[in-house]
Amino acid sequence: NAGVTQTPKFRVLKTGQSMTLLCAQDMNHEYMYWYRQDPGMGLRLIHYSVGEGTTAKGEVPDGYNVSRLKKQNFLLGLESAAPSQTSVYFCASSYSRTGDTGELFFGEGSRLTVL
Amino acid sequence: SQQGEEDPQALSIQEGENATMNCSYKTSINNLQWYRQNSGRGLVHLILIRSNEREKHSGRLRVTLDTSKKSSSLLITASRAADTASYFCAVEDMNRDDKIIFGKGTRLHILP
Repeated sequence: NAGVTQTPKFRVLKTGQSMTLLCAQDMNHEYMYWYRQDPGMGLRLIHYSVGEGTTAKGEVPDGYNVSRLKKQNFLLGLESAAPSQTSVYFCASSYSRTGDTGELFFGEGSRLTVL
Repeated sequence: SQQGEEDPQALSIQEGENATMNCSYKTSINNLQWYRQNSGRGLVHLILIRSNEREKHSGRLRVTLDTSKKSSSLLITASRAADTASYFCAVEDMNRDDKIIFGKGTRLHILP
């Protein structure tokens, strides 16, 4: 089982460039999440989705957009990258609300550097 | 703002000793989870405790939850070198559309 797969794993951007991170899960999960992890800050929720065609804002949504056109995919877009968006990005999925099923499944992360 | 706050930020113990990490949070929760992250890897779920539970065990892990104090603890007994990792608590916030919010983590280092 592949689980949660993130692409690309590494990317270097120049300020102002755009890019999209792709998250794919093969577990038929309803819920998907994008987090960013910075030193000393832990994980912060950017956006999440409770099902195909839905998205919602997390703690730090500014500068990011997301789309969930297919149940298995959750895309995170940066329209105009800024150095403050240098971070490690993690995608996660869960079958439903974690109170019902117990856990988030994480990808291995995408390391983004914005120069 | 961060919900779960782990304490201590870093912990070094000898192999074989017990490791205890604490998590405090600020609001009403449905459940609290603990995750482990090895260096450079994604997070892995360890254990979930529901708001109506006080203690839960899984192998060498013991989790407690005190909703009156809004705190939880994770105990790892008989630590091993492979337990070296960062540990995070995460809460499902009833007042914030059930978002899953993580703390900043505790870095645990097991000394041989």
